[in-house]
Amino acid sequence: EVQLVESGGGLVQPGGSLRLSCAASGFTFRTYWMNWVRQAPGKGLVWVSRINSDGSSTGYADSVKGRFTISRDNAKNTLYLQMNSLRAEDTAVYYCERYQQSSSEDYWGQGTLVTVSS
Amino acid sequence: EIVLTQSPATLSLSPGERATLSCRASQSLSSYLAWYRQKPGQAPRLLIYDASNRATGIPARFSGSGSGTDFTLTITSLEPEDFAVYYCQQRSNWPLTFGGGTKVEIK
Repeated sequence: EVQLVESGGGLVQPGGSLRLSCAASGFTFRTYWMNWVRQAPGKGLVWVSRINSDGSSTGYADSVKGRFTISRDNAKNTLYLQMNSLRAEDTAVYYCERYQQSSSEDYWGQGTLVTVSS
Repeated sequence: EIVLTQSPATLSLSPGERATLSCRASQSLSSYLAWYRQKPGQAPRLLIYDASNRATGIPARFSGSGSGTDFTLTITSLEPEDFAVYYCQQRSNWPLTFGGGTKVEIK
């Protein structure tokens, strides 16, 4: 069974940092691209970042470029999102997603809540 | 960045009725358009990929159509679990983008 389990969310002050993790199991993690997608309270879905299967290529939404860093450890089957210089507008539930452009199967974690507030 | 516009914002229907949701893209997507359903407190669930293909385990009452810039999700007979928010997503270009959502509520 494919599972994605996020962790690392919590309350952080503006300007602070947080690192999210996404533990993957039930599939060959090293062969899949992965995304982070977020959802602010009561709002829609927004793609945040992506990483290719071996970690050599990454991409970011303009709103987080230069502040967030996506990475992965294929030996540990884990995806990360390092978030620095956090702002109130980064408050959201963050989901990791196993990504394929064209596939009948799509997997998301349950999400982890990040709250940026003083 | 490709902008997706969903309409209507809210659809008020009764169980058993037909729902038709629209998604319009600011430029051609070929067929790389997906539809998701999201229930409160849950992660989104993939319903349709490549504009018209049902995802694994999705019942036949869900169908998708369209290509280029105009796409439609149809639910032929609403079940209680279908009252939720629906998002379209384009997978044609990076950055991936989502529409603003259509809420299907009980009339």
